[in-house]
Amino acid sequence: DAKTTQPTSMDCAEGRAANLPCNHSTISGNEYVYWYRQIHSQGPQYIIHGLKNNETNEMASLIITEDRKSSTLILPHATLRDTAVYYCIVRPGDDYKLSFGAGTTVTVRA
Amino acid sequence: EAGVVQSPRYKIIEKKQPVAFWCNPISGHNTLYWYRQNLGQGPELLIRYENEEAVDDSQLPKDRFSAERLKGVDSTLKIQPAELGDSAVYLCASSWDTRSYEQYFGPGTRLTVT
Repeated sequence: DAKTTQPTSMDCAEGRAANLPCNHSTISGNEYVYWYRQIHSQGPQYIIHGLKNNETNEMASLIITEDRKSSTLILPHATLRDTAVYYCIVRPGDDYKLSFGAGTTVTVRA
Repeated sequence: EAGVVQSPRYKIIEKKQPVAFWCNPISGHNTLYWYRQNLGQGPELLIRYENEEAVDDSQLPKDRFSAERLKGVDSTLKIQPAELGDSAVYLCASSWDTRSYEQYFGPGTRLTVT
């Protein structure tokens, strides 16, 4: 499985966009990029996933570079409730496994 | 729609004692997962069920851990005997099937072994 690299932590201001980077330089052609987050004392929560096109849903946007070696999760208007650990995961399309790393601890400050 | 339910939320036991965790997945979800999450790390898969069959238990320490999913609905994860290193959060998740893009996680059971 391809591995991902994320910053350990980052801060962002409430109301501003939060841009979370992820490197996955060894990603294979059939592997998707997934993002989950885990708020304190809760289980992980699915945010979004994509293969090569940019994706947007009610929670976030996912921007994948053309070479697919990196991606950025964008929280358009961060709120205090977005404070969480964010996990970038690479997962083959025909595989069920979610291999979580340590993630990025995002702190949204008022 | 109710989410994944786990109980208890917290458990403190002495080493060498047995412990059990219970999970009720989202109704209709055929696939059930148990994960373990150590402090400061991401969750790691222990076992996956398709209905009542354990189809991947390669990461389950079988000398002391066991799991069952009777009738393909609720599941129980057991540790006997518990060791200090078993202190962690045990998470249950479910999905419609193996290839579903979204796994739904419960809140977890925080186990402390003293």
